[in-house]
Amino acid sequence: GQQVMQIPQYQHVQEGEDFTTYCNSSTTLSNIQWYKQRPGGHPVFLIQLVKSGEVKKQKRLTFQFGEAKKNSSLHITATQTTDVGTYFCAGPGSGTYKYIFGTGTRLKVLA
Amino acid sequence: NAGVTQTPKFRVLKTGQSMTLLCAQDMNHEYMYWYRQDPGMGLRLIHYSVGEGTTAKGEVPDGYNVSRLKKQNFLLGLESAAPSQTSVYFCASSYSTTNQPQHFGDGTRLSIL
Repeated sequence: GQQVMQIPQYQHVQEGEDFTTYCNSSTTLSNIQWYKQRPGGHPVFLIQLVKSGEVKKQKRLTFQFGEAKKNSSLHITATQTTDVGTYFCAGPGSGTYKYIFGTGTRLKVLA
Repeated sequence: NAGVTQTPKFRVLKTGQSMTLLCAQDMNHEYMYWYRQDPGMGLRLIHYSVGEGTTAKGEVPDGYNVSRLKKQNFLLGLESAAPSQTSVYFCASSYSTTNQPQHFGDGTRLSIL
């Protein structure tokens, strides 16, 4: 069945360092969503990408959708302690009304 | 505007007991979802609904039942709880198309002894 994988599973960085998480789908996606979950919290929607090669920025966060629409990345510049959490990508399941979530990347930022 | 509200927030059950988790949304969303989250497993879809009176199976539906009698409510039932169902359960809702963001509740932490 359709799978959405993320790497790395965990990442520890020093505050001020950059961070990138990668999302790879086994099938072509019509769009991809990114969510952030703070420790002990619930997932919160960050952004959606729709077009091939699309790049969107939110302050220090840069999101990219691959040309083949099978992969995506989230890059954080100069991490801060407020960036701590797990980042999930999610893509629509083929022919269904549901989303398949990636396994998530857990980010820890050391002050 | 409360968004998505889940009750209860915590619950401890004994093996074999039954319970119902309630999800209520006040955003007039058509789509509602139940996920479970286990360490290292991400979010796995249990069941979902695309409208009042409809339900469908997700990735891990076994051992769970759902009902959507009212548009704003989505109930998740465990008929005979098992230790493998110990997890954090999240409800989410979205508008009628798949390219809309999902809004999540705060979660229910469920332990089965």
